Amino acid sequence: KNQVEQSPQSLIILEGKNCTLQCNYTVSPFSNLRWYKQDTGRGPVSLTIMTFSENTKSNGRYTATLDADTKQSSLHITASQLSDSASYICVVITDSGANNLFFGTGTRLTVIP
Amino acid sequence: NAGVTQTPKFRILKIGQSMTLQCTQDMNHNYMYWYRQDPGMGLKLIYYSVGAGITDKGEVPNGYNVSRSTTEDFPLRLELAAPSQTSVYFCASSDRGGPSTDTQYFGPGTRLTVL
Repeated sequence: KNQVEQSPQSLIILEGKNCTLQCNYTVSPFSNLRWYKQDTGRGPVSLTIMTFSENTKSNGRYTATLDADTKQSSLHITASQLSDSASYICVVITDSGANNLFFGTGTRLTVIP
Repeated sequence: NAGVTQTPKFRILKIGQSMTLQCTQDMNHNYMYWYRQDPGMGLKLIYYSVGAGITDKGEVPNGYNVSRSTTEDFPLRLELAAPSQTSVYFCASSDRGGPSTDTQYFGPGTRLTVL
């Protein structure tokens, strides 16, 4: 069964600290993996997209890694800011077609001063 | 560009009522989608469209209908609203390559409560 699991469900960190969010998937065949940021009351916004051959992708203070062999991805946030408080969603896509996106349930990150 | 816009932002319906959730994108994208997001759950695809005049069912289409008469608009119709349809609804769009290659852009969402 195609599944995407994220951990932890929620996380609270102090402003300025780093954190790492995890995504494990059983989706096959694999096309690409995306991380989205969803602010409260807003729609998700794309942070990174990684294909099978990419194992690291950065977007400012956000760095995503992918291990396609173990089917694991992580999102590392450096020097967290209050504005990083949001849900972070991992999405795994199998192949062409609009019905082949598998969404994780997200990690709720809260950054406190 | 305004991107993807949705109306209304909030709505409360009584059981059995019907309504249309509006979605418009100004990026000339071919693909458009409707998702629902329930608390603690991942987004679920309701319906999608690969271009004007073409629609197809997603994972959870029961109780909903869509149409795509223009590239810009993709309304979602709820007939005979039920409490199980209480959710946050997101519209999204992506360019001609589809979600496998192109980024999806999401609207701000519509929070629907059915009582």
